[in-house]
Amino acid sequence: DAGVTQSPTHLIKTRGQQVTLRCSPKSGHDTVSWYQQALGQGPQFIFQYYEEEERQRGNFPDRFSGHQFPNYSSELNVNALLLGDSALYLCASSWDRGITEAFFGQGTRLTVV
Amino acid sequence: GQQVMQIPQYQHVQEGEDFTTYCNSSTTLSNIQWYKQRPGGHPVFLIQLVKSGEVKKQKRLTFQFGEAKKNSSLHITATQTTDVGTYFCAGYSGGGADGLTFGKGTHLIIQP
Repeated sequence: DAGVTQSPTHLIKTRGQQVTLRCSPKSGHDTVSWYQQALGQGPQFIFQYYEEEERQRGNFPDRFSGHQFPNYSSELNVNALLLGDSALYLCASSWDRGITEAFFGQGTRLTVV
Repeated sequence: GQQVMQIPQYQHVQEGEDFTTYCNSSTTLSNIQWYKQRPGGHPVFLIQLVKSGEVKKQKRLTFQFGEAKKNSSLHITATQTTDVGTYFCAGYSGGGADGLTFGKGTHLIIQP
């Protein structure tokens, strides 16, 4: 049983560009949450998807958007990239809208230059 | 919005010494979860506490949830080199709030 998988593992983009990150949840999980983790900091909640809808959102600008597909996989899109968007982007899946444990993927390391 | 504070930020211990990290939330929590992240890795779930005053043990690790459900602690007895990493608490308020709110973590450094 594969755990949470994310792609790509590393990415380098230029300021102003757009990026799409992908996540496949653990088998049996229907909820996907995205987090941004800056170096030396704790993960910060971006948003959560359940039943293909954004259910909860953290304090992130509209440049951050997402999508969940019928197979529960998810994408995170970031437009108009800023240098400050450089971080590790973590996807976490769970089966009950995040009330119990979250399983994290290995993350996508995004560098904006 | 909800804030979760975690102290200390760094903790150096000699192998075999005990270690404790503390977590405080600005709001009452529905539950609190603890995660461990090894250097270069991703957060791995350790435990969830739900009830007021709850205490749970996992081998050398003891987790506590405060009576007011606003604070928590993780205590490791007789640390080993395998305990190295960053320990995060993450609070969940429930009721459609902002997902899991993570503390900044405590980096545990063990000197052999």
